[in-house]
Amino acid sequence: ELKVEQNPLFLSMQEGKNYTIYCNYSTTSDRLYWYRQDPGKSLESLFVLLSNGAVKQEGRLMASLDTKARLSTLHITAAVHDLSATYFCAGPPNFGNEKLTFGTGTRLTIIP
Amino acid sequence: GAVVSQHPSRVICKSGTSVKIECRSLDFQATTMFWYRQFPKQSLMLMATSNEGSKATYEQGVEKDKFLINHASLTLSTLTVTSAHPEDSSFYICSASSQNYNEQFFGPGTRLTVL
Repeated sequence: ELKVEQNPLFLSMQEGKNYTIYCNYSTTSDRLYWYRQDPGKSLESLFVLLSNGAVKQEGRLMASLDTKARLSTLHITAAVHDLSATYFCAGPPNFGNEKLTFGTGTRLTIIP
Repeated sequence: GAVVSQHPSRVICKSGTSVKIECRSLDFQATTMFWYRQFPKQSLMLMATSNEGSKATYEQGVEKDKFLINHASLTLSTLTVTSAHPEDSSFYICSASSQNYNEQFFGPGTRLTVL
């Protein structure tokens, strides 16, 4: 059974600062996904990482995947208030499985 | 990305009644749909996986007789919460995928409140 752990669970940071959210998963996986969720809303897809070493960037967010270390990171550069949300990583329980197991989520608050 | 809709977005019902939630893929044919439940301040938990024309596969601990799933077409799946109780109050989110995509596309969610 796949376990997905995110660190930290809560993150409060000042605008303009950089920080990284970590996503560790327990079994081998070929894909990893990052989502954003605003209060009362559903998920917004941020990144789809499909191979070892994949790195994707969108605005102030950058995600990477290391399948050997079973680790994905979501890096925030020069945070702005609009990035305040809960961020989830998710991965399939095994190769080729369409199901997703979600991490615990990281609640990010950006302080002016 | 592909678009998935859910209806209704919010529903309030009395304890003991049944509620049906619809999930539609609007611009693609979804071979697989997924139903998740999310309690306040918690993560998403997969309830079941449904494939068009076949019975849904439920995750461990999810009562299949209480949460009836029907995936009658490639664009529609329904979740019926039967004999709902206050502990079923939650945010229900569906997603859809197909062989053409490497990801699931999520609906906007349905907030169920059982009084």
